[in-house]
Amino acid sequence: KAGVTQTPRYLIKTRGQQVTLSCSPISGHRSVSWYQQTPGQGLQFLFEYFSETQRNKGNFPGRFSGRQFSNSRSEMNVSTLELGDSALYLCASSNREYGANVLTFGAGSRLTVL
Amino acid sequence: GQNIDQPTEMTATEGAIVQINCTYQTSGFNGLFWYQQHAGEAPTFLSYNVLDGLEEKGRFSSFLSRSKGYSYLLLKELQMKDSASYLCAVQDSNYQLIWGAGTKLIIKP
Repeated sequence: KAGVTQTPRYLIKTRGQQVTLSCSPISGHRSVSWYQQTPGQGLQFLFEYFSETQRNKGNFPGRFSGRQFSNSRSEMNVSTLELGDSALYLCASSNREYGANVLTFGAGSRLTVL
Repeated sequence: GQNIDQPTEMTATEGAIVQINCTYQTSGFNGLFWYQQHAGEAPTFLSYNVLDGLEEKGRFSSFLSRSKGYSYLLLKELQMKDSASYLCAVQDSNYQLIWGAGTKLIIKP
């Protein structure tokens, strides 16, 4: 079956712009999580959506937002981009059953802010 | 606070054995995961431990001690393709994953 698909894979923006990233989860997976990954910082949790509702949110400013559609596809948006937002943004989907919450990650969207 | 500690980088020789440690302090515990991430690629699931003890899966084994807040990933018969970052993550009482910064494993011939 198809994996987690993220688009675009690479993008370059300038400070002050905004960006929207897209994630299509594995068919049947209702939970989508977003992470920011930078060298030396590991995976930083942004938010999780389940059945179109934000279930959990990490410690990121309000410039970072997301949503999930009825088909479980998700988007995240970053407004008023800053240089520090340059990172790999990873999306992961899961069945989100209690027990082992095994995540399947997409290949990521690498954002460069100039 | 919540904290996951693992070494930043380790080096090992092809064919040898390496143990990557992970210690954690989290609000609640509902299991510990290990993921592998090759450079430029997405993390992929390796193992899940929720009970104390050793879980073996081929060349890879993962150990957990909940009383000590400690886990390790053991890689045997190392191959060059094992060069990657290994991420430790703990699922807390809210079933959220808390991630370590990852251990970069370098395999030398």
